[in-house]
Amino acid sequence: DAGVTQSPTHLIKTRGQQVTLRCSPKSGHDTVSWYQQALGQGPQFIFQYYEEEERQRGNFPDRFSGHQFPNYSSELNVNALLLGDSALYLCASSSTGGEEYFGPGTRLLVL
Amino acid sequence: AQKVTQAQTEISVVEKEDVTLDCVYETRDTTYYLFWYKQPPSGELVFLIRRNSFDEQNEISGRYSWNFQKSTSSFNFTITASQVVDSAVYFCALSEAQGGGTSYGKLTFGQGTILTVHP
Repeated sequence: DAGVTQSPTHLIKTRGQQVTLRCSPKSGHDTVSWYQQALGQGPQFIFQYYEEEERQRGNFPDRFSGHQFPNYSSELNVNALLLGDSALYLCASSSTGGEEYFGPGTRLLVL
Repeated sequence: AQKVTQAQTEISVVEKEDVTLDCVYETRDTTYYLFWYKQPPSGELVFLIRRNSFDEQNEISGRYSWNFQKSTSSFNFTITASQVVDSAVYFCALSEAQGGGTSYGKLTFGQGTILTVHP
């Protein structure tokens, strides 16, 4: 049984560019959450998707947007990248009543 | 607003020592969940334990045990007989309940405690 998978594993972008990160949830999970983890910090909640709708959102600007597809996979889009967007982006999936399982993350470096 | 504080930034122990990681939380919710996650160098967060706000019974699971006290808003985690493989960053997290308490909302994490276990 495959766990949560994320792609790509690493990414280098320059300021002002746009990036799309992808996540496939664990089999049987229908809810996907995204977190940003800066170096030396705890993960910060970006948003959560359920039934292709954004159910909850953290304190992140509109530059951060997402999407969930009918197969429950999800994308995180970040526009107009800033140096401060450099971080590990974690995707987590869950089912109703179950805890979140995290993927290995995508390390984004913005130069 | 929810907040989680892990006052210990780094802890260093020698193998076979017991180690306790401290966690203090703040929330206005009456129903909530508390978690401990482990993050090895690979970066993937690994779920360890979960507790809901109505269950203060402390338990032991293998080498892991936890002490949940609502009166002091603390949720401490103990590893007994530590091993080198326990070296990682440990995060305490808090989640509100959703859907009538049947699912979890966003996780609010603490800053993490770096645990190093020396042979």
